[in-house]
This record gives sequence, structure tokens and C-alpha cells, in this order.
Amino acid sequence: DGGITQSPKYLFRKEGQNVTLSCEQNLNHDAMYWYRQDPGQGLRLIYYSQIVNDFQKGDIAEGYSVSREKKESFPLTVTSAQKNPTAFYLCASSIGDLQPQHFGDGTRLSIL
Amino acid sequence: EDQVTQSPEALRLQEGESSSLNCSYTVSGLRGLFWYRQDPGKGPEFLFTLYSAGEEKEKERLKATLTKKESFLHITAPKPEDSATYLCAANNAGNMLTFGGGTRLMVKP
Repeated sequence: DGGITQSPKYLFRKEGQNVTLSCEQNLNHDAMYWYRQDPGQGLRLIYYSQIVNDFQKGDIAEGYSVSREKKESFPLTVTSAQKNPTAFYLCASSIGDLQPQHFGDGTRLSIL
Repeated sequence: EDQVTQSPEALRLQEGESSSLNCSYTVSGLRGLFWYRQDPGKGPEFLFTLYSAGEEKEKERLKATLTKKESFLHITAPKPEDSATYLCAANNAGNMLTFGGGTRLMVKP
């Protein structure tokens, strides 16, 4: 079945540590996105990529980094510079402009 | 600044009691309005896209409508399995979405 796979489902970060969240899609979509969701709030865009080897900052990119070396993969690194990283992180992909974004089942990141 | 506001934040219904969820938007040059359903601990699941005022889309017990200022998600004779958080999102440029905070729907049997 085609879809978006995020791993791990749960992740714990120690102070001063960088962690990387995985996102893989087999939908052959060009565009991929990372969102952060906090309790009772809507999704906020962290980074997006419309093509391999290119990505842009979203509304809340500070403390995060991404890479897009393959069409299928868009990993997100939460760096130690992100002071409030506890949240539910969602990855999405889309076939193109104005087409629906399809989401993975998220990674919940907590601080130890 | 683009803004999307959903109301109410939470809605409790009895099974079979129809109602509507509201999504108000302030977006320059709306290109599309999306509705999603999100179950606890899961990613949002796409429901509908509306592109222009007056457009309507239906799927089972759900119907989405769009005006120049807001969108409604009408739920007819809901069942407990319709319980979820419903999210709307507006697209004004590229394929970037501005999401509302969601409406948490609870349907009691």
C-alpha cells in the first residue's frame, strides 16, 4: 500500500541532544512538508520541499533542520537550539499545487 | 496575516443529532479550502477540497460548503464513529496551508 511512514512513533530527547525524525513516502510525490502540532492548536509549518535538493523554511523553522537528498525521504532534525521541542510532529506529502496533502501518523517527541 | 478560525472548539452531540462546524478564514486570494479528520494519535485524513464560493462536496454523512468568508462542515445523523477532531486549512499561495485549531466532535450513542 502507498503511504507515508514516520518513525519512531515516540521519541525522547535529552537536554543538549539533537534528534532526527524519519519520514518516508512511496507515493511518488514531489512535495513534502513537516508540521508541528501542540495540544489544542492547529498545525504549524516547519519546513517544506517542493523538489529534491531544495527546501524552504516555514513559519517556525528556528531550531530545526531538514535535508531532501532523495524524493522518498525528508528527515527532520530537532536541534538543541529548539528550546521547546515537546510536540506531535507530522510529515505530509503532495503530488502538486492545490492537491491534498497526505499525512503520516506522526512522531511524539518528549523531553527527558 | 492569514488566519483560520474554527468554532466551536468542542461539540457534543447525541447519535442522530445533526449539526454544523464552522471555519472562518481571512486569507488574501483563497485558492482552496481543505477539510481533514484527525483521530487521536493519528495524522489528519483528507476529506474534501473546495475551490470556489458556492461549491459543495459530500461524503456519507458529511457535506462541506464554501462562501467567500467561511466554510461549513455539516454532519447529518452522526454516529459514534464520527467522533474525531475536524480540521480546516486554507491555501493562498503555492501549496502552503494555514490550519485552524480544529473542532473536537464527540458523538454519544
